[in-house]
Amino acid sequence: EAQVTQNPRYLITVTGKKLTVTCSQNMNHEYMSWYRQDPGLGLRQIYYSMNVEVTDKGDVPEGYKVSRKEKRNFPLILESPSPNQTSLYFCASSSGVLASSYNEQFFGPGTRLTVL
Amino acid sequence: GDSVTQMEGPVTLSEEAFLTINCTYTATGYPSLFWYVQYPGEGLQLLLKATKADDKGSNKGFEATYRKETTSFHLEKGSVQVSDSAVYFCALSAYVIQGAQKLVFGQGTRLTINP
Repeated sequence: EAQVTQNPRYLITVTGKKLTVTCSQNMNHEYMSWYRQDPGLGLRQIYYSMNVEVTDKGDVPEGYKVSRKEKRNFPLILESPSPNQTSLYFCASSSGVLASSYNEQFFGPGTRLTVL
Repeated sequence: GDSVTQMEGPVTLSEEAFLTINCTYTATGYPSLFWYVQYPGEGLQLLLKATKADDKGSNKGFEATYRKETTSFHLEKGSVQVSDSAVYFCALSAYVIQGAQKLVFGQGTRLTINP
């Protein structure tokens, strides 16, 4: 089954304790992206990657890191989490990056993170 | 920059009522427009899309028409069901560097349908 998976689904942590949220897709997609969802703000893009070893900042990258060493995986790293990073996080992937045509983005189930 | 504005929720309706969720956008160029739906505890799913002016997207009884003159993409359904209860997001595709696209989302509208 074609899907985007995220782990963990729920996480409660404390300020300053490094954590990683994993994202994996089995569709051989080139493009992957991380979003955070906050009430009243919709989804905002944190980072995106157009291919292996190619990443770039989205709209709200502060406090986050990403890596893309393999095509299928795109982990989100919080080196020193703070309470304002409490949010619902979504990973997404799509098959193309060209602006000439839109390729549907497939979303993971989400990771609810609470930073105390 | 590009932006999307949705009507504020929550919206509560009775089963079989008519639904409209308003969405307007600001964008440079000619974006594609989308409605995504998020059921409780799940990720976002594409509900419908329209890629150019006057296109109508439709799926599962929902419809939305790309109106360039009013920069709108309102979601409608003639007769809602309890199973339509979810959060609905309007979004547009925006260009970023090197030809990549990203989605710009509205704030979401929570819809609850009562039996």
